[in-house]
Amino acid sequence: DVKVTQSSRYLVKRTGEKVFLECVQDMDHENMFWYRQDPGLGLRLIYFSYDVKMKEKGDIPEGYSVSREKKERFSLILESASTNQTSMYLCASSTGTVAEAFFGQGTRLTVV
Amino acid sequence: GENVEQHPSTLSVQEGDSAVIKCTYSDSASNYFPWYKQELGKRPQLIIDIRSNVGEKKDQRIAVTLNKTAKHFSLHITETQPEDSAVYFCAATSYGQNFVFGPGTRLSVLP
Repeated sequence: DVKVTQSSRYLVKRTGEKVFLECVQDMDHENMFWYRQDPGLGLRLIYFSYDVKMKEKGDIPEGYSVSREKKERFSLILESASTNQTSMYLCASSTGTVAEAFFGQGTRLTVV
Repeated sequence: GENVEQHPSTLSVQEGDSAVIKCTYSDSASNYFPWYKQELGKRPQLIIDIRSNVGEKKDQRIAVTLNKTAKHFSLHITETQPEDSAVYFCAATSYGQNFVFGPGTRLSVLP
């Protein structure tokens, strides 16, 4: 079974803090994604990566950055957390051949 | 980039009735169209998918249709059951990259 693991299930951070969300997949997938999920807004793509050190902006990249130094790990960085970044964050991975996206369990981030 | 719209946002049906959810996409390069089901507090899970070289696919009570010309695809659930109640997301992607989801449909199956 494909496993996509996010480092934290729940996080509480203060406004202005630098926040790291980590995601690891164990199936050698080329593509990895970060989404945020808010009620009524669905899954909005923040960034994705199709290879090590490669990244592409999604629909809502402002206030976020990403890092992919190893194929299995994709990190989402909030440079200076703000209250409007309080949300559920979901990581996913896929291969170009199969294309199905597998999701992590999600990280509920609260910025106070 | 890709844009995916989804309707309706909420859908209530009586148990045993059919449910239909419709999506449109904008990027003609998209070639893979999955549907995900998300139950409360859980991660989205793939329930069915269709590729651009196929017009229809069925898996038991679930079917998906694709009209590439009109850039429409739809999810059909027949004989709905209470356990079908969830949020459903459609998505479009080209070779697994730039995976864009619709805003979701909350389906309620009433007993």
